[in-house]
Amino acid sequence: NAGVTQTPKFQVLKTGQSMTLQCAQDMNHEYMSWYRQDPGMGLRLIHYSVGAGITDQGEVPNGYNVSRSTTEDFPLRLLSAAPSQTSVYFCASSRSGVPSPLHFGNGTRLTVT
Amino acid sequence: GNSVTQMEGPVTLSEEAFLTINCTYTATGYPSLFWYVQYPGEGLQLLLKATKADDKGSNKGFEATYRKETTSFHLEKGSVQVSDSAVYFCALSDSGGTSYGKLTFGQGTILTVHP
Repeated sequence: NAGVTQTPKFQVLKTGQSMTLQCAQDMNHEYMSWYRQDPGMGLRLIHYSVGAGITDQGEVPNGYNVSRSTTEDFPLRLLSAAPSQTSVYFCASSRSGVPSPLHFGNGTRLTVT
Repeated sequence: GNSVTQMEGPVTLSEEAFLTINCTYTATGYPSLFWYVQYPGEGLQLLLKATKADDKGSNKGFEATYRKETTSFHLEKGSVQVSDSAVYFCALSDSGGTSYGKLTFGQGTILTVHP
């Protein structure tokens, strides 16, 4: 089983460009989330979703948009990339109810020049 | 708000040495606590968890005990192997059903084990 799949694995953007990071899960999990990982700062929550059609902001949402039209997919959009968005991005999913472990994708390494 | 503080790394050990990675937290109520491990080029994987005070989580020789009195969840292993080299993250989620898949992470500790 695939689990959580992220694409692309690597991406280089110029300042001002836009792009979408894709995330799909095949475990029928209700909850999905996006984190960014920066050296010395651990992972910080960008946006999360508790089900199709429902999204909310996390700790660092500025510059990012999300939508959740299906249970399986949770894309992250960068509208106008900035060098401060250079990071490794992880998508995660989990079941609802009693806190369940997150299942992570393998990440997208994004560089903005 | 919630916060997690891990001991600063990197940590370098010889094979078969004893490992401790300290983790303390600040949270309201009774959070659930987790340790995740990240191997090079991969996403994070759950290593172990504890959902209430005095619970001990264990997996692959690693252990951690949920200590509410000291707000700690230190990770230990009695004899590390080269294959344990990775980044370790301590994390917490809100109690009950309100976590919504949101975790608060520590900054991560890089562990390198030499033969």
